[in-house]
Amino acid sequence: DIQMTQSPSSLSASVGDTVTITCRASQSIGTFLAWYQQKPGTAPKLLIFHASSLQSGAPSRFSGSGSGTDFTLTINSLQPEDSATFYCQQSYSTPLTFGGGTKVEIK
Amino acid sequence: QVHLVESGGGVVQPGGSLRLSCAASGLTFSSYGTHWVRQAPGKGLEWVAVIAHDGSNTHYADSVKGRFTISRDNSKNTLYLQMNSLRAEDTAVYYCAREKGTGTYYVLDYWGQGSLVTVSS
Repeated sequence: DIQMTQSPSSLSASVGDTVTITCRASQSIGTFLAWYQQKPGTAPKLLIFHASSLQSGAPSRFSGSGSGTDFTLTINSLQPEDSATFYCQQSYSTPLTFGGGTKVEIK
Repeated sequence: QVHLVESGGGVVQPGGSLRLSCAASGLTFSSYGTHWVRQAPGKGLEWVAVIAHDGSNTHYADSVKGRFTISRDNSKNTLYLQMNSLRAEDTAVYYCAREKGTGTYYVLDYWGQGSLVTVSS
């Protein structure tokens, strides 16, 4: 199975900051990497797929990059509504696997 | 507007069985692979199973293999998860989710609201 490791597990940042979350795969997955945002009590929401493609409807302040084993989700100009937990997921092969999550709090 | 609505969750004793359903609307259900993903209380996301758009192929997480069965009825636009030999560690919110489509297999773009399964005596 492909292991996905996210860091940090949590962070606190101010409105307007740029936030970076990293995700590392235990083997090369090309660009088969997706990012999801989950707010408490709600289902995850797809933000980014194929490592850098923005899902329709997702705000343009979210961007993704990377390939192979190392990936990054960047939130430019953090907004109050971005308070959530973010997960990466490899879409390369089954079993699909998720990172452990990064909880983003707004100072 | 795509809608996925899960039902069938509840409290069940260890060793018991439960069947979850996921009713889909607003999409051509038979065109998309569909998944179950679960989330234990306070924990992260765990993928459970996938079924191909036509039901021809399925895959499972090792943690549920041999106990859970994913199936679909495209005539009813409904996805199912039959859960047998349930354990305490199966306690979670279970989400159904749709694959984004051709060229984006295993990317989950629409999710249901979730159904809570609690395994407890």
